[in-house]
Amino acid sequence: QSVLTQPPSVSGAPGQRVTISCTGSSSNIGAGYDVHWYQQLPGTAPKLLMYGNTNRPSGVPDRFSGSKSDTSASLAISGLQAEDEADYYCQSYDSSLSGSVFGGGTKLTVL
Amino acid sequence: QLHLQESGPGSVKPSETLSLTCTVSGGSINTRSYYWGWIRQPPGKGLEWIGSIYYSGSTYYTPSLKSRVTISVDTSKNQFSLRLSSVTATDAAVYYCARQLSGRTYWYFDLWGRGTLVTVSS
Repeated sequence: QSVLTQPPSVSGAPGQRVTISCTGSSSNIGAGYDVHWYQQLPGTAPKLLMYGNTNRPSGVPDRFSGSKSDTSASLAISGLQAEDEADYYCQSYDSSLSGSVFGGGTKLTVL
Repeated sequence: QLHLQESGPGSVKPSETLSLTCTVSGGSINTRSYYWGWIRQPPGKGLEWIGSIYYSGSTYYTPSLKSRVTISVDTSKNQFSLRLSSVTATDAAVYYCARQLSGRTYWYFDLWGRGTLVTVSS
């Protein structure tokens, strides 16, 4: 049971928009700690996709966007492409655990 | 371009100690700007933060593993290491090392190693 809750899977057709939610609590997202997102392509290491709730590292397409509100956050992917098929993880800091926490991950399938 | 590379035995016997090293190249580990962390991923499962260390040696561990984990840093070799004692089958995973940025409201991993698979078997 992960501290941050994500849907196990989402799917969409090429060109569509999908969102992945990340729900936390008052000791992490709700306490004001930033949410970050990682993309893990099959057989590879995770890669930072979004940091500080809404910021994209250099090289990440602007099709990816992030938002945060209260105790939850969301990652939106517009103009879905086949290469977006991957696992996506949210991550934040938890004051009760005094460390990092990850969501359980969401598998994105491009139909 | 900073690069992180995990190394260590690919298999550990139950009840023994898992030891891994992360070698940082293309930059110094001896910097106030970053922490250095270990994250693991059991086969087919999600990511779990294990712990992190600062160049000064300050450490932070996830509570569930704290009694078995030691993370250390060797700035002279530009390496940091993970030791996990009394391993069981549930410790089998891909182990990643990563560079970590931390601030008052944030804590995230911006660069990752490729990971190394550790199995637990007698």
